[in-house]
Amino acid sequence: NAGVMQNPRHLVRRRGQEARLRCSPMKGHSHVYWYRQLPEEGLKFMVYLQKENIIDESGMPKERFSAEFPKEGPSILRIQQVVRGDSAAYFCASSPDSDLREKLFFGSGTQLSVL
Amino acid sequence: GENVEQHPSTLSVQEGDSAVIKCTYSDSASNYFPWYKQELGKGPQLIIDIRSNVGEKKDQRIAVTLNKTAKHFSLHITETQPEDSAVYFCAAQLRGSQGNLIFGKGTKLSVKP
Repeated sequence: NAGVMQNPRHLVRRRGQEARLRCSPMKGHSHVYWYRQLPEEGLKFMVYLQKENIIDESGMPKERFSAEFPKEGPSILRIQQVVRGDSAAYFCASSPDSDLREKLFFGSGTQLSVL
Repeated sequence: GENVEQHPSTLSVQEGDSAVIKCTYSDSASNYFPWYKQELGKGPQLIIDIRSNVGEKKDQRIAVTLNKTAKHFSLHITETQPEDSAVYFCAAQLRGSQGNLIFGKGTKLSVKP
């Protein structure tokens, strides 16, 4: 059973470009979460999604950031017009649709570097 | 909102010794407390968790204790091995906030052979 798959592992963008980060949850998991990690910091919650629904986006910046989890395909975290402050590691996690759903399993992350 | 403080930020022990990492939380409505291990270049890995209706939980060399009154919880690793070297994060989740974990800033554990 493959774990949470994220791609790309590394993404370099110039200021003003768009960044698209992809996440495929573990098989059988219907809950997806995105977190951001700055150097020497803990992870910060951004958004929680289920198929075709955003459940909790309380951690998402109000502008330039969006997330989706379509009926088919991976979840996408999209950052428009990137700025240097967006440079960070972005982690996706998933959890099962059961009594174990509070247990989050993380992917290996996407390291975004904005030049 | 919830705030999680974690200490120490770095911890160095000799192989075979025990390691203890402590965390405090601010919101008494938090009811789920996981611990994650993160190795360099990898994502966090869930190693143990505890719910607020339990005071202690053990899994082989790893144990977690929770003191709800004092709002603190601790990770205990016994008989440490070099492969235990990593950054460890505690986290807390408010009741009703599925998946919204508030993380501590991490403890870098080094186990010297």
